[in-house]
Amino acid sequence: EAGVTQSPTHLIKTRGQQATLRCSPISGHTSVYWYQQALGLGLQFLLWYDEGEERNRGNFPPRFSGRQFPNYSSELNVNALELEDSALYLCASSFHSFVAGPGYTFGSGTRLTVV
Amino acid sequence: AQTVTQSQPEMSVQEAETVTLSCTYDTSENNYYLFWYKQPPSRQMILVIRQEAYKQQNATENRFSVNFQKAAKSFSLKISDSQLGDTAMYFCAFMTGAGGTSYGKLTFGQGTILTVHP
Repeated sequence: EAGVTQSPTHLIKTRGQQATLRCSPISGHTSVYWYQQALGLGLQFLLWYDEGEERNRGNFPPRFSGRQFPNYSSELNVNALELEDSALYLCASSFHSFVAGPGYTFGSGTRLTVV
Repeated sequence: AQTVTQSQPEMSVQEAETVTLSCTYDTSENNYYLFWYKQPPSRQMILVIRQEAYKQQNATENRFSVNFQKAAKSFSLKISDSQLGDTAMYFCAFMTGAGGTSYGKLTFGQGTILTVHP
């Protein structure tokens, strides 16, 4: 069974540009979560999508946005990139009811570098 | 708001020995879940063990076990018979139960780098 897949693995962008990160959940999972892992700041929750709707959002500015498609895959968009957006972005997926089964499964992340 | 604190930035242990990683948390919620995740150099976060707050019995998964002290808000991870493959960053994490303010959202500690020496 394929795990959570994220693309691209690495992404280099210039300050002010937009970045789009993609995530495909495990088959059968309807929820997708996004986390930012920045050096010195640890892992911080960004967004949770379930069945196409945003369910919860972390303390990030509106230039961090995303969406979930009918096939449950998801995109994270970061507009007007700033140098401090450089981080590893992790996606995870789960069944609709998180507490059923093993909970979250994470992907290997997209390393975003803003220059 | 919930907070998770890991007070040991780095730990090391000899192969086959036992090591304990510490974690404390703060919450006013009564229904919640606690987790330990492992992040090896491959970057993928791997669930090691989870504990439901309503369960008094400590969770165990093979060589991994927890000491869950609800009143003290402490959740330590014990790794027995340490193996070289256990070398990784370990994160303690918290999530409220359904209906809670942080349901679906994991709050992580800062992590502990564990090195297992041969």
